[in-house]
Amino acid sequence: DTEVTQTPKHLVMGMTNKKSLKCEQHMGHRAMYWYKQKAKKPPELMFVYSYEKLSINESVPSRFSPECPNSSLLNLHLHALQPEDSALYLCASSSGIRGNTEAFFGQGTRLTVV
Amino acid sequence: AQKVTQAQTEISVVEKEDVTLDCVYETRDTTYYLFWYKQPPSGELVFLIRRNSFDEQNEISGRYSWNFQKSTSSFNFTITASQVVDSAVYFCALGGTGANNLFFGTGTRLTVIP
Repeated sequence: DTEVTQTPKHLVMGMTNKKSLKCEQHMGHRAMYWYKQKAKKPPELMFVYSYEKLSINESVPSRFSPECPNSSLLNLHLHALQPEDSALYLCASSSGIRGNTEAFFGQGTRLTVV
Repeated sequence: AQKVTQAQTEISVVEKEDVTLDCVYETRDTTYYLFWYKQPPSGELVFLIRRNSFDEQNEISGRYSWNFQKSTSSFNFTITASQVVDSAVYFCALGGTGANNLFFGTGTRLTVIP
């Protein structure tokens, strides 16, 4: 099973809403990631969790709040987002915590902020 | 500084033609890792290959082949006898031995015309 599952696939939210994106992997991977991808751009790293601890936060605004409840799950809590936050949010996982291992990505959540 | 350049923004080929996607990288690391990912319209990034900096052997996998040349800092990707299902955005990425942070190129959108 080399699958990373993300829910929901699509999300429309108002600027005052609170919502959460969910990600799950059952590959025993020890690193999990959130990426943000705007249209026609490459993915941009937001957060990295290594062994369930936040190891990288790429200066992401506090309206994005990650959470790693256990080694298989990764959440991204959203609050008071702006329209410019509309993007594809990709979750990924990898067996290693260094740059020498490939990451496996989910299909993403297409977020629209209205 | 890490940098990946994919100079070809968009390429169109007719089915069954061969096509090469270029990737040029910059890094000060002596040990590093190069990756290719495919992103079809569904959004998921699909891992294709990882190459270590100390292994310059070229690789072939079915219709796909990769040419790694350290002398020119290039890691090019060739699809032989292209098919419509190859239509996607292809990203080249660079990873180091430090924390797992992939540096993506800007991507090349390949369209295979039937």
